[in-house]
Amino acid sequence: GEDVEQSLFLSVREGDSSVINCTYTDSSSTYLYWYKQEPGAGLQLLTYIFSNMDMKQDQRLTVLLNKKDKHLSLRIADTQTGDSAIYFCAEMRSSNYKLTFGKGTLLTVNP
Amino acid sequence: NAGVMQNPRHLVRRRGQEARLRCSPMKGHSHVYWYRQLPEEGLKFMVYLQKENIIDESGMPKERFSAEFPKEGPSILRIQQVVRGDSAAYFCASSPDQTYEQYFGPGTRLTVT
Repeated sequence: GEDVEQSLFLSVREGDSSVINCTYTDSSSTYLYWYKQEPGAGLQLLTYIFSNMDMKQDQRLTVLLNKKDKHLSLRIADTQTGDSAIYFCAEMRSSNYKLTFGKGTLLTVNP
Repeated sequence: NAGVMQNPRHLVRRRGQEARLRCSPMKGHSHVYWYRQLPEEGLKFMVYLQKENIIDESGMPKERFSAEFPKEGPSILRIQQVVRGDSAAYFCASSPDQTYEQYFGPGTRLTVT
């Protein structure tokens, strides 16, 4: 199976919170990332978390890591229409510098 | 500080032609990574380079693909004798020394007709 898995779609109302989930398989993953991709654009690094942390908050973004279950989530508070994009979860193993990406979650924010 | 730059943004090639994709890393970054994104797929690692050195090319197809990062100038991803299956978005990322932050360029969208 895939090393990093995400649900493909999420739809929320403007002003609600969005939670995007991700699971990974490699216990040696050292860093876990969230990237945002808008249509036709490159990837924007939103945030990342070290595997020895369980939470990281940055303005409207909260990342939660459950290392035991190999589960990562990204919560976006007060979701805006400008948050509509594809969100990629990625992991990097301690032994190399390759990012391994999930297939991405398309977040649609409805007015 | 300009971000990672890639050109061209769009490239159309006929089957059998060569494609050259360029990537200029962010100022002060000496590590470059190439990834490929096939339609409706996540990004897949291709190659990791430092100046004048290929560090890891485990994701590169064995034939027709090559990459370089010369002492001067941009990194180049070269695809010889392109086939339709090479149609994809090719992203370059860069990072400074000794960090785990990779910053991506806008990508080159290659279409093979």
